[in-house]
Amino acid sequence: SQQGEEDPQALSIQEGENATMNCSYKTSINNLQWYRQNSGRGLVHLILIRSNEREKHSGRLRVTLDTSKKSSSLLITASRAADTASYFCATDAGNQGGKLIFGQGTELSVKP
Amino acid sequence: ETGVTQSPTHLIKTRGQQVTLRCSSQSGHNTVSWYQQALGQGPQFIFQYYREEENGRGNFPPRFSGLQFPNYSSELNVNALELDDSALYLCASSLGQGRDGTQYFGPGTRLTVL
Repeated sequence: SQQGEEDPQALSIQEGENATMNCSYKTSINNLQWYRQNSGRGLVHLILIRSNEREKHSGRLRVTLDTSKKSSSLLITASRAADTASYFCATDAGNQGGKLIFGQGTELSVKP
Repeated sequence: ETGVTQSPTHLIKTRGQQVTLRCSSQSGHNTVSWYQQALGQGPQFIFQYYREEENGRGNFPPRFSGLQFPNYSSELNVNALELDDSALYLCASSLGQGRDGTQYFGPGTRLTVL
Protein backbone atom coordinates (compact mmCIF):
# COMPACT_ATOMS: atom_id res chain seq x y z
CA SER A 1 0.00 0.00 0.00
CA GLN A 2 1.16 3.53 -0.69
CA GLN A 3 1.26 5.85 2.31
CA GLY A 4 2.24 8.99 0.49
CA GLU A 5 0.23 10.93 -2.00
CA GLU A 6 2.22 13.24 -4.16
CA ASP A 7 0.99 16.31 -5.87
CA PRO A 8 1.18 17.14 -8.68
CA GLN A 9 1.63 13.83 -10.52
CA ALA A 10 3.44 15.69 -13.31
CA LEU A 11 5.04 19.12 -13.50
CA SER A 12 6.55 20.87 -16.51
CA ILE A 13 8.58 24.06 -16.10
CA GLN A 14 11.23 26.13 -17.86
CA GLU A 15 14.87 26.12 -16.85
CA GLY A 16 15.52 28.68 -14.12
CA GLU A 17 12.05 28.41 -12.61
CA ASN A 18 11.37 26.91 -9.19
CA ALA A 19 9.63 23.54 -8.83
CA THR A 20 7.49 22.65 -5.82
CA MET A 21 6.27 19.14 -5.09
CA ASN A 22 4.03 18.15 -2.22
CA CYS A 23 3.63 14.93 -0.29
CA SER A 24 0.96 13.88 2.19
CA TYR A 25 1.05 10.82 4.40
CA LYS A 26 -1.29 9.00 6.75
CA THR A 27 0.46 7.71 9.86
CA SER A 28 2.96 9.02 12.40
CA ILE A 29 6.53 9.04 11.15
CA ASN A 30 10.07 9.00 12.44
CA ASN A 31 11.40 10.76 9.37
CA LEU A 32 10.50 11.63 5.79
CA GLN A 33 12.87 11.35 2.87
CA TRP A 34 12.92 12.55 -0.71
CA TYR A 35 14.45 10.51 -3.52
CA ARG A 36 15.03 11.14 -7.21
CA GLN A 37 14.81 8.55 -9.98
CA ASN A 38 15.99 9.01 -13.55
CA SER A 39 14.19 6.98 -16.24
CA GLY A 40 13.42 3.85 -14.21
CA ARG A 41 16.89 3.55 -12.76
CA GLY A 42 17.91 3.39 -9.09
CA LEU A 43 16.78 5.91 -6.53
CA VAL A 44 19.10 8.67 -5.40
CA HIS A 45 18.68 9.94 -1.84
CA LEU A 46 18.21 13.71 -1.76
CA ILE A 47 17.37 14.73 1.77
CA LEU A 48 16.01 13.39 5.07
CA ILE A 49 13.98 15.44 7.52
CA ARG A 50 13.19 14.14 11.01
CA SER A 51 9.80 14.44 12.63
CA ASN A 52 11.07 17.10 15.05
CA GLU A 53 12.43 19.29 12.22
CA ARG A 54 10.36 21.79 10.26
CA GLU A 55 12.69 22.82 7.46
CA LYS A 56 15.92 21.62 5.91
CA HIS A 57 18.14 22.86 3.11
CA SER A 58 20.64 21.14 0.85
CA GLY A 59 22.07 23.16 -2.02
CA ARG A 60 19.15 24.14 -4.27
CA LEU A 61 16.75 21.91 -2.32
CA ARG A 62 14.47 23.05 0.48
CA VAL A 63 12.23 20.62 2.32
CA THR A 64 9.53 21.48 4.81
CA LEU A 65 7.62 19.17 7.11
CA ASP A 66 4.32 19.84 8.85
CA THR A 67 3.54 16.88 11.10
CA SER A 68 0.22 18.39 12.21
CA LYS A 69 -0.96 18.30 8.60
CA LYS A 70 1.03 15.16 7.77
CA SER A 71 2.55 16.85 4.75
CA SER A 72 5.89 17.80 3.28
CA SER A 73 7.06 19.86 0.35
CA LEU A 74 10.19 19.78 -1.78
CA LEU A 75 11.29 22.99 -3.47
CA ILE A 76 13.95 22.93 -6.17
CA THR A 77 15.17 26.44 -6.92
CA ALA A 78 16.65 27.64 -10.21
CA SER A 79 15.85 24.34 -11.92
CA ARG A 80 18.06 22.88 -14.64
CA ALA A 81 17.31 20.45 -17.46
CA ALA A 82 19.34 17.86 -15.51
CA ASP A 83 16.71 18.01 -12.73
CA THR A 84 14.27 16.23 -15.06
CA ALA A 85 13.35 13.05 -13.17
CA SER A 86 10.71 11.47 -10.97
CA TYR A 87 10.70 12.55 -7.34
CA PHE A 88 9.40 10.37 -4.52
CA CYS A 89 8.73 11.02 -0.88
CA ALA A 90 9.17 8.10 1.51
CA THR A 91 8.21 7.80 5.14
CA ASP A 92 9.86 5.76 7.86
CA ALA A 93 7.59 5.02 10.81
CA GLY A 94 10.60 3.92 12.83
CA ASN A 95 8.92 0.81 14.15
CA GLN A 96 8.50 -1.33 11.07
CA GLY A 97 11.90 -2.88 10.51
CA GLY A 98 13.31 -0.14 8.34
CA LYS A 99 10.39 -0.19 5.94
CA LEU A 100 10.14 2.89 3.76
CA ILE A 101 6.71 3.65 2.36
CA PHE A 102 6.84 5.53 -0.92
CA GLY A 103 4.37 7.76 -2.65
CA GLN A 104 3.59 7.42 -6.34
CA GLY A 105 5.94 10.21 -7.31
CA THR A 106 5.95 13.49 -9.19
CA GLU A 107 7.34 13.45 -12.72
CA LEU A 108 9.26 16.69 -13.24
CA SER A 109 10.19 17.91 -16.71
CA VAL A 110 12.48 20.94 -16.98
CA LYS A 111 12.64 22.37 -20.47
CA PRO A 112 15.80 24.18 -21.62
CA GLU B 1 27.23 6.26 -7.14
CA THR B 2 26.07 4.60 -3.94
CA GLY B 3 28.34 1.57 -4.04
CA VAL B 4 25.32 -0.75 -4.07
CA THR B 5 25.44 -3.14 -7.01
CA GLN B 6 22.78 -5.46 -8.40
CA SER B 7 22.86 -8.28 -10.91
CA PRO B 8 21.68 -8.99 -13.45
CA THR B 9 20.61 -5.68 -14.99
CA HIS B 10 17.84 -7.21 -17.05
CA LEU B 11 16.18 -10.60 -16.99
CA ILE B 12 13.44 -12.28 -19.00
CA LYS B 13 11.64 -15.31 -17.61
CA THR B 14 8.47 -17.19 -18.41
CA ARG B 15 5.51 -17.73 -16.12
CA GLY B 16 6.07 -20.48 -13.56
CA GLN B 17 9.86 -20.21 -13.57
CA GLN B 18 12.02 -19.23 -10.63
CA VAL B 19 14.44 -16.30 -10.45
CA THR B 20 17.30 -15.18 -8.19
CA LEU B 21 18.38 -11.56 -8.01
CA ARG B 22 21.58 -10.47 -6.28
CA CYS B 23 22.65 -7.38 -4.37
CA SER B 24 25.96 -6.29 -2.91
CA SER B 25 25.60 -3.71 -0.18
CA GLN B 26 27.68 -0.61 0.30
CA SER B 27 30.87 -1.17 2.25
CA GLY B 28 30.21 -1.13 5.98
CA HIS B 29 26.44 -1.55 5.67
CA ASN B 30 24.87 -4.52 7.44
CA THR B 31 21.24 -4.11 6.37
CA VAL B 32 19.65 -4.79 2.98
CA SER B 33 16.08 -3.99 1.97
CA TRP B 34 14.33 -5.12 -1.20
CA TYR B 35 11.63 -3.21 -3.06
CA GLN B 36 9.44 -3.93 -6.09
CA GLN B 37 8.58 -1.06 -8.39
CA ALA B 38 5.90 -1.59 -11.01
CA LEU B 39 5.81 0.72 -14.00
CA GLY B 40 4.53 4.16 -13.07
CA GLN B 41 4.35 3.36 -9.34
CA GLY B 42 6.46 4.05 -6.30
CA PRO B 43 8.59 1.24 -4.84
CA GLN B 44 6.89 -1.23 -2.52
CA PHE B 45 8.75 -2.81 0.40
CA ILE B 46 9.25 -6.57 0.09
CA PHE B 47 11.46 -7.33 3.10
CA GLN B 48 14.59 -6.33 4.97
CA TYR B 49 17.54 -8.38 6.21
CA TYR B 50 19.68 -7.33 9.15
CA ARG B 51 22.70 -9.42 10.12
CA GLU B 52 21.42 -12.40 8.10
CA GLU B 53 17.92 -12.41 9.67
CA GLU B 54 14.68 -11.21 8.13
CA ASN B 55 13.81 -8.03 9.97
CA GLY B 56 10.50 -7.01 8.47
CA ARG B 57 8.27 -8.00 5.60
CA GLY B 58 5.80 -6.22 3.38
CA ASN B 59 2.61 -7.57 1.86
CA PHE B 60 4.20 -10.13 -0.47
CA PRO B 61 3.42 -13.87 -0.67
CA PRO B 62 5.83 -16.54 0.62
CA ARG B 63 7.05 -17.29 -2.89
CA PHE B 64 9.14 -14.14 -2.42
CA SER B 65 12.04 -15.16 -0.20
CA GLY B 66 15.48 -13.89 0.56
CA LEU B 67 18.86 -14.50 2.09
CA GLN B 68 21.62 -12.40 3.51
CA PHE B 69 25.16 -13.70 3.62
CA PRO B 70 27.91 -13.10 6.20
CA ASN B 71 29.42 -10.42 3.93
CA TYR B 72 25.97 -8.73 4.00
CA SER B 73 25.27 -9.29 0.32
CA SER B 74 21.76 -10.53 -0.35
CA GLU B 75 19.59 -12.53 -2.71
CA LEU B 76 15.92 -12.20 -3.59
CA ASN B 77 14.27 -15.39 -4.84
CA VAL B 78 10.90 -15.49 -6.51
CA ASN B 79 9.26 -18.86 -7.22
CA ALA B 80 6.38 -19.66 -9.56
CA LEU B 81 6.70 -16.38 -11.44
CA GLU B 82 3.51 -14.59 -12.45
CA LEU B 83 3.03 -11.96 -15.13
CA ASP B 84 2.44 -9.32 -12.43
CA ASP B 85 5.92 -9.95 -11.07
CA SER B 86 7.28 -7.96 -14.02
CA ALA B 87 8.85 -4.92 -12.39
CA LEU B 88 12.05 -3.16 -11.41
CA TYR B 89 13.52 -4.78 -8.30
CA LEU B 90 15.57 -2.47 -6.15
CA CYS B 91 17.79 -3.27 -3.23
CA ALA B 92 18.94 -0.71 -0.72
CA SER B 93 21.62 -0.94 1.91
CA SER B 94 21.87 0.90 5.17
CA LEU B 95 23.75 0.84 8.44
CA GLY B 96 22.22 -0.57 11.58
CA GLN B 97 18.65 -1.02 10.36
CA GLY B 98 18.78 2.38 8.75
CA ARG B 99 19.75 4.06 11.96
CA ASP B 100 19.41 7.51 10.47
CA GLY B 101 16.75 6.30 8.07
CA THR B 102 18.81 6.73 4.93
CA GLN B 103 18.81 3.81 2.52
CA TYR B 104 21.18 3.75 -0.47
CA PHE B 105 19.73 2.16 -3.57
CA GLY B 106 21.31 0.11 -6.30
CA PRO B 107 20.49 0.56 -10.00
CA GLY B 108 17.88 -2.19 -9.97
CA THR B 109 17.14 -5.37 -11.91
CA ARG B 110 14.44 -5.13 -14.57
CA LEU B 111 12.49 -8.43 -14.58
CA THR B 112 10.12 -9.25 -17.42
CA VAL B 113 7.84 -12.26 -17.08
CA LEU B 114 6.31 -13.54 -20.31
